[in-house]
Amino acid sequence: GENVEQHPSTLSVQEGDSAVIKCTYSDSASNYFPWYKQELGKRPQLIIDIRSNVGEKKDQRIAVTLNKTAKHFSLHITETQPEDSAVYFCAARIQGAQKLVFGQGTRLTINP
Amino acid sequence: DVKVTQSSRYLVKRTGEKVFLECVQDMDHENMFWYRQDPGLGLRLIYFSYDVKMKEKGDIPEGYSVSREKKERFSLILESASTNQTSMYLCASSLNFQGGVAEAFFGQGTRLTVV
Repeated sequence: GENVEQHPSTLSVQEGDSAVIKCTYSDSASNYFPWYKQELGKRPQLIIDIRSNVGEKKDQRIAVTLNKTAKHFSLHITETQPEDSAVYFCAARIQGAQKLVFGQGTRLTINP
Repeated sequence: DVKVTQSSRYLVKRTGEKVFLECVQDMDHENMFWYRQDPGLGLRLIYFSYDVKMKEKGDIPEGYSVSREKKERFSLILESASTNQTSMYLCASSLNFQGGVAEAFFGQGTRLTVV
């Protein structure tokens, strides 16, 4: 089955700097890669996703890139703000399957 | 707004008890999921269901069972609770993924402590 590895487990950056979180997946049949953000005490919520026919997707300060050959995808957050502090999860879905496989999560801390 | 509601925010149960965690969604989603969240381990899938009365094992089904008698409700059952099942449990729902993408909507979580 699919396996998703996420790094780093914790990340601390200065406010205004950029943050990058990386994930690798094992099954080349995976075709959908969402990212979820979980603020302290709250439920995970989708922030951005990408399909396998696209190499990059942006939404304001966040972007996701996908390298199908290397089987990895990354979340990029620019001009970080205190409200970006949260746990971020990447996930992958194998084509035709109904379940998402999540990575281990990254705790991002933005230092003022 | 999609709402996924879990019946309890916090639960404390004794070892050996049978525990029921309930989840209800109001958006007519086909798929429902139960995940367990532990620090450093991410979200691990316990069971999921893609239709009423249908269920499939996830990555860590041992010690758990599920029930989906109605489309909107998905129950997680701990047959005989053990201390290693102390965790945060998250329910989620989504439309069927066929032909595209589907956002998973999560409940607020149930923090279960087994003593």
